[in-house]
Amino acid sequence: DQQVKQNSPSLSVQEGRISILNCDYTNSMFDYFLWYKKYPAEGPTFLISISSIKDKNEDGRFTVFLNKSAKHLSLHIVPSQPGDSAVYFCAASATRWASGSRLTFGEGTQLTVNP
Amino acid sequence: DSGVTQTPKHLITATGQRVTLRCSPRSGDLSVYWYQQSLDQGLQFLIQYYNGEERAKGNILERFSAQQFPDLHSELNLSSLELGDSALYFCASSVYRDEQFFGPGTRLTVL
Repeated sequence: DQQVKQNSPSLSVQEGRISILNCDYTNSMFDYFLWYKKYPAEGPTFLISISSIKDKNEDGRFTVFLNKSAKHLSLHIVPSQPGDSAVYFCAASATRWASGSRLTFGEGTQLTVNP
Repeated sequence: DSGVTQTPKHLITATGQRVTLRCSPRSGDLSVYWYQQSLDQGLQFLIQYYNGEERAKGNILERFSAQQFPDLHSELNLSSLELGDSALYFCASSVYRDEQFFGPGTRLTVL
């Protein structure tokens, strides 16, 4: 049961344009969402997060949008740079889980930004 | 550099063997998490410890166990290894409910 889904395994964009990465979830208990970036042979690096009480969070070139009714979130990168080329993981957690705040990850999307 | 360290970086062993992976969390972080990333798969949550106590369990096999020591470092023990256990194993740490910061991972190869 894949509770967090990233349906696009890959995305290719031109440098300077917008990159939009999408993520869908099925578990209504999720109330905290995060995006991680991962380069080969390295651990995931935290990018940005959003709580379910918000619908948008911005940090520099990165903006995350949350649509709770659709159980959908997206990460916008503007402008995209070649150094952004990496695998992006969407992750979710639930505060109501009494046992802790484990992260449930999507399968990842390989973003390639072409010069 | 996330501040989370993992050793060893690479580990090659044979089926049936037992290995121990080590993780040191960021200074001040009380929570430690272990994740497994198999080939072509996303990260799967294995287990979480908070200040020495097991707090959450994911799809962790009975052959796997973990512990967190008083100095907050953690070890993941994998026994009776099978070929399918070959994967990247990541440790992450956080202040209890905040963003998790990941170590560089240990690549385990079971031959």
